Amino acid sequence: ETGVTQTPRHLVMGMTNKKSLKCEQHLGHNAMYWYKQSAKKPLELMFVYNFKEQTENNSVPSRFSPECPNSSHLFLHLHTLQPEDSALYLCASSQGSGSTDTQYFGPGTRLTVL
Amino acid sequence: GDSVTQMEGPVTLSEEAFLTINCTYTATGYPSLFWYVQYPGEGLQLLLKATKADDKGSNKGFEATYRKETTSFHLEKGSVQVSDSAVYFCALSAASNTDKLIFGTGTRLQVFP
Repeated sequence: ETGVTQTPRHLVMGMTNKKSLKCEQHLGHNAMYWYKQSAKKPLELMFVYNFKEQTENNSVPSRFSPECPNSSHLFLHLHTLQPEDSALYLCASSQGSGSTDTQYFGPGTRLTVL
Repeated sequence: GDSVTQMEGPVTLSEEAFLTINCTYTATGYPSLFWYVQYPGEGLQLLLKATKADDKGSNKGFEATYRKETTSFHLEKGSVQVSDSAVYFCALSAASNTDKLIFGTGTRLQVFP
């Protein structure tokens, strides 16, 4: 498998559930990202990890909890979400975190919170 | 702060028409500029990029030139196809804040045969 993969592709959860999103990159990159894509809004950067260390937390509520056990895997743990958290969650990776580094995106997880 | 402004869509064209999607930016210093494309049901794919003024990025018949004097990075294609129907995102990566890609809101392109 190549590129950036995300599982599950679709997720429906209640507000009291706990679930996790998984991202895996097969590109040998050192930086990984979580983005939120909502209708009619720009993509919002949520978290950045560089060499497994979190370097950016873009004022994300604590009901979203990232985990990066190694440079190839990134998780987003979800608990007690709200309906407004329904969105497409995109994972990306890049070789480094410089301004010229290209980010490669996964297909996303479509999350619906009931 | 840094920002990207794109023309609102949808842009509706007939096959073989000329395409322009406008993108302007606000940033300090010399950002890198990107166009990403998102096909239905998929994630974003890099279409092209330019890292310094007057650079032209090109891919799959699409082109965009980094214009510092007008702070623009307009996307163009001479002859669109139905398969080009997608959402196009302009983005910048500021030299001063390298962790972040700042995206525009996206422009939906619909091409009809």
